[in-house]
Amino acid sequence: GQQVMQIPQYQHVQEGEDFTTYCNSSTTLSNIQWYKQRPGGHPVFLIQLVKSGEVKKQKRLTFQFGEAKKNSSLHITATQTTDVGTYFCAEYQAGTALIFGKGTTLSVSS
Amino acid sequence: DAGVTQSPTHLIKTRGQHVTLRCSPISGHKSVSWYQQVLGQGPQFIFQYYEKEERGRGNFPDRFSARQFPNYSSELNVNALLLGDSALYLCASSFGALQETQYFGPGTRLLVL
Repeated sequence: GQQVMQIPQYQHVQEGEDFTTYCNSSTTLSNIQWYKQRPGGHPVFLIQLVKSGEVKKQKRLTFQFGEAKKNSSLHITATQTTDVGTYFCAEYQAGTALIFGKGTTLSVSS
Repeated sequence: DAGVTQSPTHLIKTRGQHVTLRCSPISGHKSVSWYQQVLGQGPQFIFQYYEKEERGRGNFPDRFSARQFPNYSSELNVNALLLGDSALYLCASSFGALQETQYFGPGTRLLVL
């Protein structure tokens, strides 16, 4: 099965700067989920997007699902050191198999 | 409330050996999924079990097998271990089987020497 592509692979920012990671697919996605994994930790669910053009916010995090449902983005405003980790997008294939992208690793320096 | 628990936390095996990893889902969750995460990569789907039946299987060899018990806990078995099986093995639970939010456990770190 196809895998969602994430860019960039790594991103380093100064605390207070914004950060965006992108998730792209060559085919239409039924839905997209975003997870965060802290260093040495396990993935933690952030959000699920289902509708075309959907935008959801969680405090400083903004999630978007493209109009064609082939891409998604996660934007963090004014990063903090607590935002450090790897952010994964994931899509369900055949309803039961959650397929993860390779992730974007964010580092933040204060 | 207790989250997903996995045991053991760490494990060292040698090539050719067999390993059994265990997972207890969140209370009330009926689905358990297993993932393999190699360093620097995203989790790779291995299996999903729902109501004791296999509902999904990823692209892994037959050396990998799993089962789910009546109390919804699960075991992942890997036979004839290879060096490449060294990874973090994650278990995730969800209430239902289809396109649900996955709640991950802390994982079992397996090192094959």
